[in-house]
Amino acid sequence: QQQVKQSPQSLIVQKGGISIINCAYENTAFDYFPWYQQFPGKGPALLIAIRPDVSEKKEGRFTISFNKSAKQFSLHIMDSQPGDSATYFCAASGGFQGAQKLVFGQGTRLTINP
Amino acid sequence: DAGVTQSPTHLIKTRGQQVTLRCSPISGHKSVSWYQQVLGQGPQFIFQYYEKEERGRGNFPDRFSARQFPNYSSELNVNALLLGDSALYLCASSLAEGVPTEAFFGQGTRLTVV
Repeated sequence: QQQVKQSPQSLIVQKGGISIINCAYENTAFDYFPWYQQFPGKGPALLIAIRPDVSEKKEGRFTISFNKSAKQFSLHIMDSQPGDSATYFCAASGGFQGAQKLVFGQGTRLTINP
Repeated sequence: DAGVTQSPTHLIKTRGQQVTLRCSPISGHKSVSWYQQVLGQGPQFIFQYYEKEERGRGNFPDRFSARQFPNYSSELNVNALLLGDSALYLCASSLAEGVPTEAFFGQGTRLTVV
């Protein structure tokens, strides 16, 4: 119940295309869903986050879509660029009795071909 | 403003040794969490500290311990190192505890156990 399942493991998209990464969770106590971007040798960087009271959040080329009834959420990267090539992690948090514990998905290695 | 800073950036230790990793949170952030990221996987929660008290602990053995100082910096200690402890150790800071808020990660400490 603590797991967050992420797919696909790897993704190749042409420059200018749309990259879509999906995540699913079981624990209905989760109430905060961030996405992180990680480059090799670096720590994860917060991209965008959503709470379950909204179904979509957009920041620049990045959009989170959230489906509370299906317990799924996804990241869309519009007009994907070679600089977006990185590993992306979804995560979920909440319901841990005061502890801010992020539960991460397994990651998606995104490659944008020029 | 400086982000989350971790030291050292790289470390090589021998099996059975002990290691101490250090983290300074973003100024004004009172919560520090530690994560272990094994190559090819998402980060796994180890500890959260807030106001010098442990607020959460992940599924890690007692060889792992941590503390937080009055200036909100933190140390992670690992005793009796095993080869399997080789990983990127990440520190994340956030403004508060409990209600999930944005967590910002440092660049990590790459620990290699030989």
